[in-house]
Amino acid sequence: GAGVSQTPSNKVTEKGKYVELRCDPISGHTALYWYRQSLGQGPEFLIYFQGTGAADDSGLPNDRFFAVRPEGSVSTLKIQRTERGDSAVYLCASSTTSGRTQYFGPGTRLTVL
Amino acid sequence: AQKVTQAQTEISVVEKEDVTLDCVYETRDTTYYLFWYKQPPSGELVFLIRRNSFDEQNEISGRYSWNFQKSTSSFNFTITASQVVDSAVYFCALSEGGSEKLVFGKGTKLTVNP
Repeated sequence: GAGVSQTPSNKVTEKGKYVELRCDPISGHTALYWYRQSLGQGPEFLIYFQGTGAADDSGLPNDRFFAVRPEGSVSTLKIQRTERGDSAVYLCASSTTSGRTQYFGPGTRLTVL
Repeated sequence: AQKVTQAQTEISVVEKEDVTLDCVYETRDTTYYLFWYKQPPSGELVFLIRRNSFDEQNEISGRYSWNFQKSTSSFNFTITASQVVDSAVYFCALSEGGSEKLVFGKGTKLTVNP
């Protein structure tokens, strides 16, 4: 079956611009996660959704970052006033309600010039 | 606080050699879950295994085996008879019982040379 999909695969933007990154989870998965991976590092947790609500947003670095999942399926990560330090690969993962295993998408590589 | 340490930054072996990737974790929870993921050059994280803290049985899957030892807080991963296709970055991760988030180590880059 189809895995987690993320669009775009690459995004180049200028400092100060607004960007949206999209994640489409595995069908039937109610839990959705966002992580950020900088070069040479492991992924770092940003936010977790169970259904439509953000159950844990403790990893969001500041108020420029926001994520939504209005219908409990697709999620959008929104970054306002981008900074060069936001450049990274943004990973999305999903899992079933009862499961602990997270399945990852291919990521969106964000470059802020 | 939860933490995962992968002390080996890079390992290089010749094909058919056995290789062990180390993972040491820290947590105060008695219920937790440990994971290994593979990240090939294409970039997508591939799930390999999940263990919970109540199951210390070692596991074998083909050429892969995992050694979970609570006494040393370690969850090591061994590849037997390595192949070039095993070249990737391998991540160990931990999630505590009351939290869904994964905490990852910094990864070990494995290169298997022909």
